[in-house]
Amino acid sequence: QQQVKQSPQSLIVQKGGISIINCAYENTAFDYFPWYQQFPGKGPALLIAIRPDVSEKKEGRFTISFNKSAKQFSLHIMDSQPGDSATYFCAASYSFGNEKLTFGTGTRLTIIP
Amino acid sequence: NAGVTQTPKFQVLKTGQSMTLQCAQDMNHEYMSWYRQDPGMGLRLIHYSVGAGITDQGEVPNGYNVSRSTTEDFPLRLLSAAPSQTSVYFCASRRGSPNTGELFFGEGSRLTVL
Repeated sequence: QQQVKQSPQSLIVQKGGISIINCAYENTAFDYFPWYQQFPGKGPALLIAIRPDVSEKKEGRFTISFNKSAKQFSLHIMDSQPGDSATYFCAASYSFGNEKLTFGTGTRLTIIP
Repeated sequence: NAGVTQTPKFQVLKTGQSMTLQCAQDMNHEYMSWYRQDPGMGLRLIHYSVGAGITDQGEVPNGYNVSRSTTEDFPLRLLSAAPSQTSVYFCASRRGSPNTGELFFGEGSRLTVL
């Protein structure tokens, strides 16, 4: 059972544009929502994370928007750069730092010049 | 800084063979876990440990065994390899206190079962 649904599977954005990746979850008990970035041949690395007590969190060019009532959250990458080309995974867990992270299926992002 | 180290990086097995994927971390992290990554399925939790001597099952534990005798090491054992276990395996760790929620992943071990 897919508890975290991620879309799109792949995304091509021009350099300087905005990349948007969406995730939806089913279980209202989830209360920690991280995004991980993975480059080819490497392990995932934490990019940014949010708790449900805020609707938005921004770190540099990366922003998470969170809609608790819709059970959705999204990653926005402003001024997208070729170096942002990677696979992005959203995830959710029942409590902050809980080992049982449930990941989305991933989005392969390609930034073209 | 080594971080989380996984060995081997690549391995080919025949059906029925057994093997151990090694994972070591040098950050004194309490929590360690194993995930498998398959195309179109994201990462799925196999087993995890909250400290030496303590392990628990994740979402897809069947066919795998773990133990945690030291804080640093968390090996994953495949008891009798099957083609369905062809995957990329990632080990991850997280510190207990202060807890930032951040998982640190190794670079992965790509396993092919023929």
